[in-house]
Amino acid sequence: DAMVIQNPRYQVTQFGKPVTLSCSQTLNHNVMYWYQQKSSQAPKLLFHYYDKDFNNEADTPDNFQSRRPNTSFCFLDIRSPGLGDAAMYLCATSRVEGGLNTQYFGPGTRLTVL
Amino acid sequence: AQKITQTQPGMFVQEKEAVTLDCTYDTSDPSYGLFWYKQPSSGEMIFLIYQGSYDQQNATEGRYSLNFQKARKSANLVISASQLGDSAMYFCAMSNRRGAGSYQLTFGKGTKLSVIP
Repeated sequence: DAMVIQNPRYQVTQFGKPVTLSCSQTLNHNVMYWYQQKSSQAPKLLFHYYDKDFNNEADTPDNFQSRRPNTSFCFLDIRSPGLGDAAMYLCATSRVEGGLNTQYFGPGTRLTVL
Repeated sequence: AQKITQTQPGMFVQEKEAVTLDCTYDTSDPSYGLFWYKQPSSGEMIFLIYQGSYDQQNATEGRYSLNFQKARKSANLVISASQLGDSAMYFCAMSNRRGAGSYQLTFGKGTKLSVIP
């Protein structure tokens, strides 16, 4: 089945130790998104790629970076995680067709910062 | 600016009964999409149903239907014949075009639905 895959599902890192989360998709969608969702809150968009074009949200901290080496993969790099970065990180994809642009989400990576 | 309001932080429903989750929105865009997502405790956001702003008919997907009232800017989710597996957080979201090919998804704060046996 076509899907959005995130690895790992759970990630534990230490304060200040760089961490990379990965997302892959078999949907052949041209847009990929990264969201941060803290406990009991709505998801917050960090950035997205439209094909190779990177679009950063204005309030996304510089600590967060992203890479999209090809259509299928997208990575979220947190250069120096702080305690406040502990959250669920959701990857989503969409394909724009005739105005329909449903975003399909992966299962998420739950990040713990010690 | 786009805004989604979900006024019910939590809802309870008896198994096999129907339940309505409220959602109102605000946007100045003439074209937009409205979505409902389900998020179980495992964390995955599951797409349930979509309504386009120009759609004349209310969307339905199995036990889910979207009661779209454009003049009132509301897009309530109706779940018929509730099941225990429906217990989850439900998010209403609105999609607006941001530029060539990409869309912003604005989420409400969510409603936690609990189905009682």
